[in-house]
Amino acid sequence: GAGVSQSPSNKVTEKGKDVELRCDPISGHTALYWYRQSLGQGLEFLIYFQGNSAPDKSGLPSDRFSAERTGGSVSTLTIQRTQQEDSAVYLCASSLILAGGYNEQFFGPGTRLTVL
Amino acid sequence: GNSVTQMEGPVTLSEEAFLTINCTYTATGYPSLFWYVQYPGEGLQLLLKATKADDKGSNKGFEATYRKETTSFHLEKGSVQVSDSAVYFCALFFLMDSNYQLIWGAGTKLIIKP
Repeated sequence: GAGVSQSPSNKVTEKGKDVELRCDPISGHTALYWYRQSLGQGLEFLIYFQGNSAPDKSGLPSDRFSAERTGGSVSTLTIQRTQQEDSAVYLCASSLILAGGYNEQFFGPGTRLTVL
Repeated sequence: GNSVTQMEGPVTLSEEAFLTINCTYTATGYPSLFWYVQYPGEGLQLLLKATKADDKGSNKGFEATYRKETTSFHLEKGSVQVSDSAVYFCALFFLMDSNYQLIWGAGTKLIIKP
């Protein structure tokens, strides 16, 4: 079946502009996760959703970042007034939610954001 | 706090060499441990996992044993191939009181030369 998809695959923007990144999870996956991967760095966890709800938003780097999920499916990550340090690959993952432990996360191909 | 430390790369080996990529962790409680792999041009994918002490995860010839006494989860393979060239990430997960934590190491780039 279809995996996690993300769009756009590449985004080049000017400093100060807003950008919106989209994630389509695997159908039936109730959990959705956003990460940021900077060049040469590990994954930085940003936020996760259980259904449409994000229990903890403390991982978002600043108040310029926001995320929402509607209908328990598609999620958008919005970065307002982009800065050069926002340049990174933004990864989305989804998983089932089963009680009692970790559920394998399936990753999308990422959106490479470049802020000039 | 909880953290994961893994070997810095790149690690460069010849084909058929023995591979070890070190991963150690700091955690309260009883986390689950994972290795993910990112092949060139592809998304991250789960390589193997272990959910409790002394468990051994294995897949595609790779193995890692959850060692609580040394707080380690080193990745090993007896004979690497060029196709194993990728970036490998060690990660730690735990869920406590609905507080989800998935913590990643910085990744280790592995280069296998023919």
